[in-house]
Amino acid sequence: DAGVIQSPRHEVTEMGQEVTLRCKPISGHNSLFWYRQTMMRGLELLIYFNNNVPIDDSGMPEDRFSAKMPNASFSTLKIQPSEPRDSAVYFCASSLRGEPPYEQYFGPGTRLTVT
Amino acid sequence: AQSVAQPEDQVNVAEGNPLTVKCTYSVSGNPYLFWYVQYPNRGLQFLLKYITGDNLVKGSYGFEAEFNKSQTSFHLKKPSALVSDSALYFCAVSPRSYQKVTFGTGTKLQVIP
Repeated sequence: DAGVIQSPRHEVTEMGQEVTLRCKPISGHNSLFWYRQTMMRGLELLIYFNNNVPIDDSGMPEDRFSAKMPNASFSTLKIQPSEPRDSAVYFCASSLRGEPPYEQYFGPGTRLTVT
Repeated sequence: AQSVAQPEDQVNVAEGNPLTVKCTYSVSGNPYLFWYVQYPNRGLQFLLKYITGDNLVKGSYGFEAEFNKSQTSFHLKKPSALVSDSALYFCAVSPRSYQKVTFGTGTKLQVIP
């Protein structure tokens, strides 16, 4: 398996532009997570999905952020409009859903720079 | 609410010496606990997890962690550090019956040759 795939790996955009980050989870995994990592705030969970349904989006910083999972093999995180403070590394992770919880597999991340 | 504390931003250890990376947690009820490692410019990788049973958990790359319920700790250990162990280590906790995992702030491990 190729692991979790994220694109693009790097994104540089100007303030006010729309940014879309993409994620392909590991085949067969039914939970998907979006995280943001910065030096100041560390690793933050933004949202997670079970079976394509958003379960907890309490970490989404504001209405400018939205996430979708139209099918089991694809998810997007969109920022519109983007701001310089959104600059961070965004990670997607996937896992099997179960009790007890399975470990998460992280993608390589998308480094977003908003100027 | 659940939380994780990693009290050391950085740990320095000489190659060949034992290493410990500390983690304490706060969660209602019995926890699930995890350790992940992050190498530069990479995503996090799973090392080990505690679910139930034996308090000493063995994981990848020779790492182990000891669950201590009375001290609410889950310290990561390795008997003999390698330079290649230098990375950022994250402790994480999840309460039972809820999938949301909370990560600590990370501890940078520097193994000195």
